[in-house]
Amino acid sequence: ETGVTQSPTHLIKTRGQQVTLRCSSQSGHNTVSWYQQALGQGPQFIFQYYREEENGRGNFPPRFSGLQFPNYSSELNVNALELDDSALYLCASSKTLAGVNNEQFFGPGTRLTVL
Amino acid sequence: AQSVTQPDIHITVSEGASLELRCNYSYGATPYLFWYVQSPGQGLQLLLKYFSGDTLVQGIKGFEAEFKRSQSSFNLRKPSVHWSDAAEYFCAAPYTGTASKLTFGTGTRLQVTL
Repeated sequence: ETGVTQSPTHLIKTRGQQVTLRCSSQSGHNTVSWYQQALGQGPQFIFQYYREEENGRGNFPPRFSGLQFPNYSSELNVNALELDDSALYLCASSKTLAGVNNEQFFGPGTRLTVL
Repeated sequence: AQSVTQPDIHITVSEGASLELRCNYSYGATPYLFWYVQSPGQGLQLLLKYFSGDTLVQGIKGFEAEFKRSQSSFNLRKPSVHWSDAAEYFCAAPYTGTASKLTFGTGTRLQVTL
């Protein structure tokens, strides 16, 4: 069983640019959540995708957007990058939305540096 | 919405010593609570979770946690720490109603001395 994978591992961008991060969910999982983890902080929930639709969003501006594809893989897009966007971006997948017994499995993350 | 607080930013223990990492939550009803571990270059791994029932929860790698409603706490414990336990530990709770969206504490970095 393949776990959650993310690409790229590291990325360096400059302020104002746009970036796309990718996540492949674990086999059999239809829900993907994205988190931002700034240095020295806990992960913060960005948004979640369930069956290709956004299902909930954290306190992030619209320049953070996403997609989920029919195979349940997902992309996180960030426009007009700011220095504060520098962080580790984590993707997590789970079997479904409902219930409390659906564990999220996290990928290793993409380290984004904005200069 | 639930929130969690981890009062200790950094803890150092000797290998073989016992460990307790603190987590306090704020929520009116019975909360759902989780502990995750993050090693360098690794994603978050679930150690254990509490949903209801027995307040002492056993997890992987010899960890356990006790839910104490009277103290609004869900502290993580391990009787004997191994050098490989050095990592960042996060307490978490659902961001909204479902456990598939989480809010995390700021983390506790565990250092293990030999």
